Amino acid sequence: DIQMTQSPSSLSASVGDRVTITCRASQTISSYLNWYQQKPGKAPKLLIYAASSLQSGVPSRFSGSGSGTDFTLTISSLQPEDFATYYCQQSYGTPFTFGPGTKVDIK
Amino acid sequence: EVQLVQSGAEVKKPGESLKISCKGSGYSFTSYWIGWVRQMPGKGLEWMGIIYPGDSDTRYSPSFEGQVTISADKSISTAYLQWSSLKASDTAMYYCARRQDGYNSDYMDVWGKGTTVTVSS
Repeated sequence: DIQMTQSPSSLSASVGDRVTITCRASQTISSYLNWYQQKPGKAPKLLIYAASSLQSGVPSRFSGSGSGTDFTLTISSLQPEDFATYYCQQSYGTPFTFGPGTKVDIK
Repeated sequence: EVQLVQSGAEVKKPGESLKISCKGSGYSFTSYWIGWVRQMPGKGLEWMGIIYPGDSDTRYSPSFEGQVTISADKSISTAYLQWSSLKASDTAMYYCARRQDGYNSDYMDVWGKGTTVTVSS
């Protein structure tokens, strides 16, 4: 299985901050990397697919980059509704493993 | 509107069997894979497996193979996740999601709201 790691595991930030979350795969996955947001008690929501493509309806303050093994999710200006847990997922090969998550909370 | 509607919460005893469902609507159910994802209390997301309702082709994560069965009934646009003998460790939220696989991309774009399964004696 391809292992996914994320850093940090949690972070505290203020509204308006620029936030960066990193995801690393245990082997190259080309650009088969997706990002999801999950709020407490809710289903995950797709934010970014194929490493850098913004899902329809997702605000442009979210962006993704990277290829190979190292990827980044950036929130350019954190909004109150962005406090949530973020997961990366590789879809290069089954099982399509998720990272352990990064919890973003209010400083 | 494209949506996946999951069956309601379940409370079961260890050793009992269970089958939960995920009904798709608003799109061609037989043309997209459906995946299942487990989330244990307070934990992260775990990919369990996927099924292509068009021909019932199924892939499992090694972590879940033999522990659950994924199936689908395309005549009623419904996918299933079932257990033959539940354990307390199966207590979790289970999500179904539609897989969108295209050129250089593969992701889960539509999610059900989840089914809570509680296994307790």
